[in-house]
Amino acid sequence: DADVTQTPRNRITKTGKRIMLECSQTKGHDRMYWYRQDPGLGLRLIYYSFDVKDINKGEISDGYSVSRQAQAKFSLSLESAIPNQTALYFCATSDSTSPSSYEQYFGPGTRLTVT
Amino acid sequence: KQEVTQIPAALSVPEGENLVLNCSFTDSAIYNLQWFRQDPGKGLTSLLLIQSSQREQTSGRLNASLDKSSGRSTLYIAASQPGDSATYLCAVGNNFNKFYFGSGTKLNVKP
Repeated sequence: DADVTQTPRNRITKTGKRIMLECSQTKGHDRMYWYRQDPGLGLRLIYYSFDVKDINKGEISDGYSVSRQAQAKFSLSLESAIPNQTALYFCATSDSTSPSSYEQYFGPGTRLTVT
Repeated sequence: KQEVTQIPAALSVPEGENLVLNCSFTDSAIYNLQWFRQDPGKGLTSLLLIQSSQREQTSGRLNASLDKSSGRSTLYIAASQPGDSATYLCAVGNNFNKFYFGSGTKLNVKP
């Protein structure tokens, strides 16, 4: 089984709808991240969480919210989806206590299309 | 804000060739640098992680170097194979555990 899983893997939704993307990890890592990837732009950080009670905005948090329900679960919500939120979304984890700390591990991604 | 640039954006080479991918960053106060591989429509696979105190890391045919003072890292791929075709991303991590990504180099290795 994959260490970092994302659901759904693909989603098509309409403008104005609320949508939630979910991320779960079995690696026991304390830190979790949400990124979006647009063609030719690399990955940009949306939100990150260093533990259940520590959530921080990234570069492009407007229009998004997150919830860290447990150490293993980190969800990303689009309150009212708009077409320019069409992108590939990735969840990642890292372990601050690891000797090779801060290495990031990624989920398989969620392809979101907003029509 | 850290800016990460990868040049070239795309590269096509014949099988068997040795090649170098480049990554540059504007702020030398980094904690680490990580190289990833991404296949079309897929997630990111970690290739190599270099801590700021290290100069290079090796894994099989891959060698990554880091020169913090000049704000550069290179990924060297020896004896390239068609299976190496993918997009290669570098990510620079700071002391606050935030990462900044380049836009990637798309590599095509021709049989």
